[in-house]
Amino acid sequence: AQSVAQPEDQVNVAEGNPLTVKCTYSVSGNPYLFWYVQYPNRGLQFLLKYITGDNLVKGSYGFEAEFNKSQTSFHLKKPSALVSDSALYFCAVRDIGFQKLVFGTGTRLLVSP
Amino acid sequence: ETGVTQTPRHLVMGMTNKKSLKCEQHLGHNAMYWYKQSAKKPLELMFVYSLEERVENNSVPSRFSPECPNSSHLFLHLHTLQPEDSALYLCASSQGTPASGYTFGSGTRLTVV
Repeated sequence: AQSVAQPEDQVNVAEGNPLTVKCTYSVSGNPYLFWYVQYPNRGLQFLLKYITGDNLVKGSYGFEAEFNKSQTSFHLKKPSALVSDSALYFCAVRDIGFQKLVFGTGTRLLVSP
Repeated sequence: ETGVTQTPRHLVMGMTNKKSLKCEQHLGHNAMYWYKQSAKKPLELMFVYSLEERVENNSVPSRFSPECPNSSHLFLHLHTLQPEDSALYLCASSQGTPASGYTFGSGTRLTVV
């Protein structure tokens, strides 16, 4: 079965510093990978996705993600963190049969002023 | 506004009550989902509907009863709930193709007293 793992429950970073939120995947076949962000008491919002093509994917709010096939990773990155980036981030992969997304456990990002 | 609307936003109900959660999308998507999000737990997929047919039921207790009368509407009927059912209930929709992600609603915060 397709799966993703987010090894960090929380990531702390100072405002202005680069941030990375880690995700590794396990799939049969081609991976279709996604990142979502969730602010308190809200639904998840789409950030970006990798389907095929360039390994560096650019998304909303200045975020980008690097697809690395050899390391089976899809880490989320941003060159300069903002306090407003503090939220819960989810990595996800399309399941076989494409009926659903399989989500990771989420990583809380805390950006300090 | 994401294109997926959930009502109500907040709901407090007693254990003997019957209530319904509503989800509506006008994005032309053909798949809809119910998720449960509890504090400090991973997202739990409850039900998947594709083309108005239930295609997945993840061992959800019978006190939760989904209904999908058409491709734009999804309901979750609740009866005789338990306090541990208190959570954020998220609805999502998708085109159901490999490259399509989910669009989430803002959720219904349910408190069972």
